[in-house]
Amino acid sequence: EPEVTQTPSHQVTQMGQEVILRCVPISNHLYFYWYRQILGQKVEFLVSFYNNEISEKSEIFDDQFSVERPDGSNFTLKIRSTKLEDSAMYFCASSEGAGPAMGETQYFGPGTRLLVL
Amino acid sequence: AQKVTQAQTEISVVEKEDVTLDCVYETRDTTYYLFWYKQPPSGELVFLIRRNSFDEQNEISGRYSWNFQKSTSSFNFTITASQVVDSAVYFCALSSYTGANSKLTFGKGITLSVRP
Repeated sequence: EPEVTQTPSHQVTQMGQEVILRCVPISNHLYFYWYRQILGQKVEFLVSFYNNEISEKSEIFDDQFSVERPDGSNFTLKIRSTKLEDSAMYFCASSEGAGPAMGETQYFGPGTRLLVL
Repeated sequence: AQKVTQAQTEISVVEKEDVTLDCVYETRDTTYYLFWYKQPPSGELVFLIRRNSFDEQNEISGRYSWNFQKSTSSFNFTITASQVVDSAVYFCALSSYTGANSKLTFGKGITLSVRP
């Protein structure tokens, strides 16, 4: 069964460093998302991406964050200068059709646990 | 604004007991979708079910069943004859049909512990 994959599974970085989290969505999916989950808290939406551009972003997704689809398979989240409060689990998700607004299910990857020291 | 409330934070049951996880949502949209996801200790988010606002039929899948009641804005999840493998955090989530809104709003999750 096709699945969303994410690398790395864990990343430790120093405050102020740049990190890139990578995701390979399900191959026939067209909509891509990033969410984050601070330890013990709920899952929060960061950004949605369709047709090579951001379709929606949350207030969390400030100028330190960017997303890119560098090729036909990868979808990346870059944090330019990490802060302590960026420590969280980051989930990538993808959906086949027009996203949950049209009832399409988002399938999540296993997550990348980011720790900023 | 969308809101999902999972008032129960932690539930502990003994194996083979039935357990119901509550979810109450708020939305102004007439068309919306509700989801349940499971997060086992390994951390991934596993899709369990999707239900649209026009379909109030209850659904059963094996030991799992879902009760959607629009009148009370609730979408509750029951596990029958719980097993240790059901131990996880369960999230209820909401999306709405606005075209521009393509995000899920999650509740805070319910930690279910099933003891042998």
